[in-house]
Amino acid sequence: KNEVEQSPQNLTAQEGEFITINCSYSVGISALHWLQQHPGGGIVSLFMLSSGKKKHGRLIATINIQEKHSSLHITASHPRDSAVYICAVRSTSGSRLTFGEGTQLTVNP
Amino acid sequence: DVKVTQSSRYLVKRTGEKVFLECVQDMDHENMFWYRQDPGLGLRLIYFSYDVKMKEKGDIPEGYSVSREKKERFSLILESASTNQTSMYLCASSLRGGNHNEQFFGPGTRLTVL
Repeated sequence: KNEVEQSPQNLTAQEGEFITINCSYSVGISALHWLQQHPGGGIVSLFMLSSGKKKHGRLIATINIQEKHSSLHITASHPRDSAVYICAVRSTSGSRLTFGEGTQLTVNP
Repeated sequence: DVKVTQSSRYLVKRTGEKVFLECVQDMDHENMFWYRQDPGLGLRLIYFSYDVKMKEKGDIPEGYSVSREKKERFSLILESASTNQTSMYLCASSLRGGNHNEQFFGPGTRLTVL
């Protein structure tokens, strides 16, 4: 079993829909990251969380440390949100990240 | 604007060739990382470096080596490329220390070994 599990692996939505991507992990962590990767490869950091909730524009990330679970929500989705979304955790023991396999999101107009 | 650059976006090499992938960051970061990304496997750490001339093995170091002679530059070397090293290679950097340091990624190099 992977240390970081994401669901779903693939997600197709219509423009305007509310989207949720989930991430579960099995190790103790000091921080959890949500990353976005567009076609072509470049990865950008969306959020870094150690507790609670963060919001940036239409994106919201939450984390429940007790349940070892995080969610990334996209409100009023748009075709430009189409990308791979990756969850990564930083363990309590170091500076390395462990990554989930990613969720491919496609938003159709 | 912070930046991590990689020497090539696409690279095609033959089996047995020596391959150099270069990564440069302009943020004065201490930590630098090399990952490979494969479908169904996500990003996996090959090597990382926390200072000049310092390196540590990641999860999949076999078949690779690295060099960090200057703080801003971290090179990944495939001594004798093999077809199973065909992959997307991503470099990243971050500040040292603390548990809340963001990693900044380069654009990636898609390597094909024939």
